[in-house]
Amino acid sequence: DTAVSQTPKYLVTQMGNDKSIKCEQNLGHDTMYWYKQDSKKFLKIMFSYNNKELIINETVPNRFSPKSPDKAHLNLHINSLELGDSAVYFCASSPRASPSGEQYFGPGTRLTVT
Amino acid sequence: QKEVEQDPGPLSVPEGAIVSLNCTYSNSAFQYFMWYRQYSRKGPELLMYTYSSGNKEDGRFTAQVDKSSKYISLFIRDSQPSDSATYLCATILTGGGNKLTFGTGTQLKVEL
Repeated sequence: DTAVSQTPKYLVTQMGNDKSIKCEQNLGHDTMYWYKQDSKKFLKIMFSYNNKELIINETVPNRFSPKSPDKAHLNLHINSLELGDSAVYFCASSPRASPSGEQYFGPGTRLTVT
Repeated sequence: QKEVEQDPGPLSVPEGAIVSLNCTYSNSAFQYFMWYRQYSRKGPELLMYTYSSGNKEDGRFTAQVDKSSKYISLFIRDSQPSDSATYLCATILTGGGNKLTFGTGTQLKVEL
């Protein structure tokens, strides 16, 4: 069974639209993350939630809003999509008890804004 | 200057070669060091993580950290075509959300 899953896998939409990406983990982890990977493959953290509480909020436009209904789910809603939002978005999770904070990634959602 | 620097490659080696992948980092407060492997159009997969200076071995993979020079290495012995992927080094400051800082990744191709 998939440990960290994301839907949809591909998302093609027009500028100005609002879209959501969903993430679920069945690892029992307390902490979940959203990362953005740009066209040059650079991975950068956007948000982190620990047990439904926001703990990392990097410099991200406020058009991006994460929501965590429970500790196994972390969704990402994007308003007024722009061309520059085109990227691969990865969800990840980590066990709170782990001292190293190693993170396990989902398969990614490839967002294309036209 | 990025906090974690990594040569993007591509690096092409023959099957069976020993591969050396390297990163440097700037923040001496980083505590844990990780290597992720990412196949094309897939999510990053955790290979190994180490804490403090020294070596850690797992099968054909050896991770090495030298905190005095802020240098991280991953060695792959007897490289296989299935090792062809992008390798990402990452560092972490524990506490404050366990924020992972990635290098840009090195693309490796192991040829038959």
